Amino acid sequence: NAGVMQNPRHLVRRRGQEARLRCSPMKGHSHVYWYRQLPEEGLKFMVYLQKENIIDESGMPKERFSAEFPKEGPSILRIQQVVRGDSAAYFCASSPSPGLRNEQFFGPGTRLTVL
Amino acid sequence: QQPVQSPQAVILREGEDAVINCSSSKALYSVHWYRQKHGEAPVFLMILLKGGEQKGHDKISASFNEKKQQSSLYLTASQLSYSGTYFCGTEGVPGNQFYFGTGTSLTVIP
Repeated sequence: NAGVMQNPRHLVRRRGQEARLRCSPMKGHSHVYWYRQLPEEGLKFMVYLQKENIIDESGMPKERFSAEFPKEGPSILRIQQVVRGDSAAYFCASSPSPGLRNEQFFGPGTRLTVL
Repeated sequence: QQPVQSPQAVILREGEDAVINCSSSKALYSVHWYRQKHGEAPVFLMILLKGGEQKGHDKISASFNEKKQQSSLYLTASQLSYSGTYFCGTEGVPGNQFYFGTGTSLTVIP
């Protein structure tokens, strides 16, 4: 059973470009969470999605950031017009059941560098 | 809303014990504990769902004091492999936002 997969593992973008980060949850998991981790800091909740629904996006910046989890395919975190401050590691996690009373399985992360 | 952990950092010799605390200003519905090694993804340790619940495996255990809005992680007879940053995670609202704590860096030296 493959774990949570994220790609790309490393992404370099110039200021103003778009970044697309993909997350494939574990088989059978329909709940996905995205987190951002700045260097030497903790994990910050961004968004919680179920298939075709955004459950909670209270941690996501209102502008430039969007997330989706379509019926088919991976969850995508999209950052438009990236700025240097967006440089961070972005982790997604998945769980098999609703809510947060279950273990979250983390992917290896995507390290975004904005030049 | 972010839980506060203490201490921020601790250095242990192999075989020594440590306690990491996690405190929230809001009511806690569940507490998760994760360990993250440098450059890697967080790895789940355990979840505590009820006030007063205690759990453990191997030499790592945790308690959850719902009334005090606190949880503690206990590491006994530490091993080199225990090194990493430990995060607690809490639900802000059941089933919705999830907040990771400020983190505790633990280093075990021979």
